[in-house]
Amino acid sequence: DAGVTQSPTHLIKTRGQQVTLRCSPKSGHDTVSWYQQALGQGPQFIFQYYEEEERQRGNFPDRFSGHQFPNYSSELNVNALLLGDSALYLCASRGGRDTEAFFGQGTRLTVV
Amino acid sequence: AQKITQTQPGMFVQEKEAVTLDCTYDTSDQSYGLFWYKQPSSGEMIFLIYQGSYDEQNATEGRYSLNFQKARKSANLVISASQLGDSAMYFCAMRERTGGSYIPTFGRGTSLIVHP
Repeated sequence: DAGVTQSPTHLIKTRGQQVTLRCSPKSGHDTVSWYQQALGQGPQFIFQYYEEEERQRGNFPDRFSGHQFPNYSSELNVNALLLGDSALYLCASRGGRDTEAFFGQGTRLTVV
Repeated sequence: AQKITQTQPGMFVQEKEAVTLDCTYDTSDQSYGLFWYKQPSSGEMIFLIYQGSYDEQNATEGRYSLNFQKARKSANLVISASQLGDSAMYFCAMRERTGGSYIPTFGRGTSLIVHP
């Protein structure tokens, strides 16, 4: 049983570009959340998707958007990249009454 | 004010000894959950242990236990019999009910190094 998988693992982009990160949740999980983890910090909640809708959003600008597909996989899109967007982006999934979230290994984004 | 405070940026422990990682939290909710995650250098966040605010007994999972002191709003992680593979970042997190959905807030983490 595959856990949460994210792609790509590493990415280098130029300021002003756009990026799409992908996440496949753990089998049976229908809720997907995205987090940004800057160097030396804890993960910061970006948004959560359930039933293909954004249910909750953290304190992130509209440049950060997402999508959830019918198979529960999800994408995170970031437009007009800034140097400060350089971070590890983590995807987490939950299902039903699970108390804990399962995380992927993350996508390390570097903006130059 | 920070919702989760981890005051120890780094901790060192000898292999086979026990270590306590501190975590204090701030919430006005009556119902909340507390978590500890381990993050090795690979980046993946690994769930360790969960404590619900209404749980009367401290949570335990193998070598991990959570010292839950509700009145003091602390949720310290105790790792018994440390192993070299325990070297990693450890994050405390709290999940409150916000807008109908539980959203976790993470602390800044504690780096644990286990010496042979």
